[in-house]
Amino acid sequence: QVQLVQSGAEVKKPGASVKVSCKASGYTFANYGISWVRQAPGQGLEWMGWISPNNGNTNYAQKLQGRVTMTTDTSTSTAYMELRSLRSDDTAVYYCAKGPRQFDPWGQGTLVTVSS
Amino acid sequence: DVVMTQSPLSLPVTLGQPASVSCRSSQSLVHSDGHIYFNWFQQRPGQSPRRLFYKVSNRDSGVPDRFSGSGSGTDFTLKISRVEAEDVGVYYCMQATHWPPTFGQGTKVEIK
Repeated sequence: QVQLVQSGAEVKKPGASVKVSCKASGYTFANYGISWVRQAPGQGLEWMGWISPNNGNTNYAQKLQGRVTMTTDTSTSTAYMELRSLRSDDTAVYYCAKGPRQFDPWGQGTLVTVSS
Repeated sequence: DVVMTQSPLSLPVTLGQPASVSCRSSQSLVHSDGHIYFNWFQQRPGQSPRRLFYKVSNRDSGVPDRFSGSGSGTDFTLKISRVEAEDVGVYYCMQATHWPPTFGQGTKVEIK
């Protein structure tokens, strides 16, 4: 079955970077984009951006431009999301989801805590 | 960006009774290709979001038929015909017709 499995929880200091992975299985990875969404504690869902594994094209949320980079490794069917210059308000659960429009399925989420 | 406005934000319901969540978009969600890229998601406590419906009313596999999705243009509705205990959680609408994709604020469904 189609599945997205994400890397484990991270604790980072302000100003540091974090890189979250999302390994896909059960479908042809190159044929579908991967979207990234985050959810701050007790808050709603915020779209972060999208990447096409086929050609590496990306589209990022304007508020994250310059701090976020999304990449893929088609040899391992894995997508990555790197966020730099972390701040306390970047503390959130980060999700990957299949498709730029489908958002199905989602990974299990990765908690990133930014704290000094 | 397209603003998605859900109501109510909190919905206490009695087991076995119906429930309805509304979602309104700030502009029409009809894409130039004729499709409406509108999804409903359920997020149970401590879980990842799960898609319930895509393109307004197409039910995902495994979603009970007590759930239904409807709407067009700018107004959309998620209905639960008879609420069960497993339906507790937060429900989100989302549009992907216009870039960037945007989510509603979420509607928390709880049992009275």
